[in-house]
Amino acid sequence: GDSVTQMEGPVTLSEEAFLTINCTYTATGYPSLFWYVQYPGEGLQLLLKATKADDKGSNKGFEATYRKETTSFHLEKGSVQVSDSAVYFCALISGYSTLTFGKGTMLLVSP
Amino acid sequence: EAQVTQNPRYLITVTGKKLTVTCSQNMNHEYMSWYRQDPGLGLRQIYYSMNVEVTDKGDVPEGYKVSRKEKRNFPLILESPSPNQTSLYFCASSPIADPRDTQYFGPGTRLTVL
Repeated sequence: GDSVTQMEGPVTLSEEAFLTINCTYTATGYPSLFWYVQYPGEGLQLLLKATKADDKGSNKGFEATYRKETTSFHLEKGSVQVSDSAVYFCALISGYSTLTFGKGTMLLVSP
Repeated sequence: EAQVTQNPRYLITVTGKKLTVTCSQNMNHEYMSWYRQDPGLGLRQIYYSMNVEVTDKGDVPEGYKVSRKEKRNFPLILESPSPNQTSLYFCASSPIADPRDTQYFGPGTRLTVL
């Protein structure tokens, strides 16, 4: 079945550092890929998505590129802020199946 | 304001006492879904609904029921809760009956079953 593997957290960074959160997937067919973010005490919000190979999703300074050859969708940001502290979930959906989430990666950014 | 609302936000109950967690969306969305979030497991889908009167099982449906009598509401029913259903529950909706569309999540309901 479909699965998503994310790097274990927490990821601890200083403000303005570069962020990478790795995400790889296993899926049948050609899935759509997502990054959702969960701020403390809140529900998940869509951060960005990509629906086909080589697409780049971007939002709020975050980017991720759909790499079919490496089955990856790594999340990057050039300069993190304290307000980016949250849990980040990589997810996929293939065909009309259900959304499959990774286990989440907590990001902690200190001033 | 466009939103997904859940009630209650926090609930402590005892084993076997039936409960319902309500979910409502005011965006005229067709697709609605319930997830549970557990540490180290991420989110797992319990049930989903493509439209009124159409529901289907997700990955972890055992011990749960749902109904979709109106487009805006999608309650989650635990007829006989057990401690292993202690979890954080999220309702979500999306505009069209396509789970590939962006899903909008409610704020969550933290359930503790003693």
